Amino acid sequence: QSVLTQPPSVSAAPGQKVTISCSGSFSNIGINFVSWYQQFPGTAPKLLIYGNDKRPSGIPDRFSGSKSGTSATLGITGLQTGDEADYYCGTWENGLSVFGGGTKLTVL
Amino acid sequence: QVQLQESGPGLVKPSETLSLTCAVSGYSISTDYYWGWIRQPPGKGLEWIASISHSGTTYSNPSLRSRVTISADMSKNQFSLKLRSVMAADSATFYCVRLGYQVIDYWGQGTLVSVSS
Repeated sequence: QSVLTQPPSVSAAPGQKVTISCSGSFSNIGINFVSWYQQFPGTAPKLLIYGNDKRPSGIPDRFSGSKSGTSATLGITGLQTGDEADYYCGTWENGLSVFGGGTKLTVL
Repeated sequence: QVQLQESGPGLVKPSETLSLTCAVSGYSISTDYYWGWIRQPPGKGLEWIASISHSGTTYSNPSLRSRVTISADMSKNQFSLKLRSVMAADSATFYCVRLGYQVIDYWGQGTLVSVSS
């Protein structure tokens, strides 16, 4: 059972926008930064968003992050088939790293 | 460019100790940051195991703390994980990572470890 709650799956058509939610509590999301990671099958997760809403170098601006209270959201616009992957949110609680259970994105 | 590479046996017998090492290149682990381990059972999500700072301070997941040891060899620029008394449920892909301020910014490629007799 993951500390953070994500929907198991989301789907949308190419070119559309999708959002993935991540719900936590005051002691984790409420007082810490949220990151998002993208994982393709058989590969390591890759940092997509950090500091709630910042993109590392090389991540396109189609990907965005936001946080409000004890929830965070990952947004992806202009969906591409290459965006099909698992997405994980992560943050900290009492100095320890915690994650959501992951959301599988299907681009129909 | 920071790179992390896990190494260790891919098969461990139940009740034995799983030992993994992460070799870091492109950055000296004694300079800054925390360095840690995360695991992912097949088809499941991510679970943080433990981390060690550039000065040797360690943290571990309370659920695994009694079985986990994390250590670092600054001279070799690598850090290691030992997980004792393993069972089938410990089978997973293990990733070594670099932890920035509230972010995991670099990941190794991962190594699959199966626990089986």
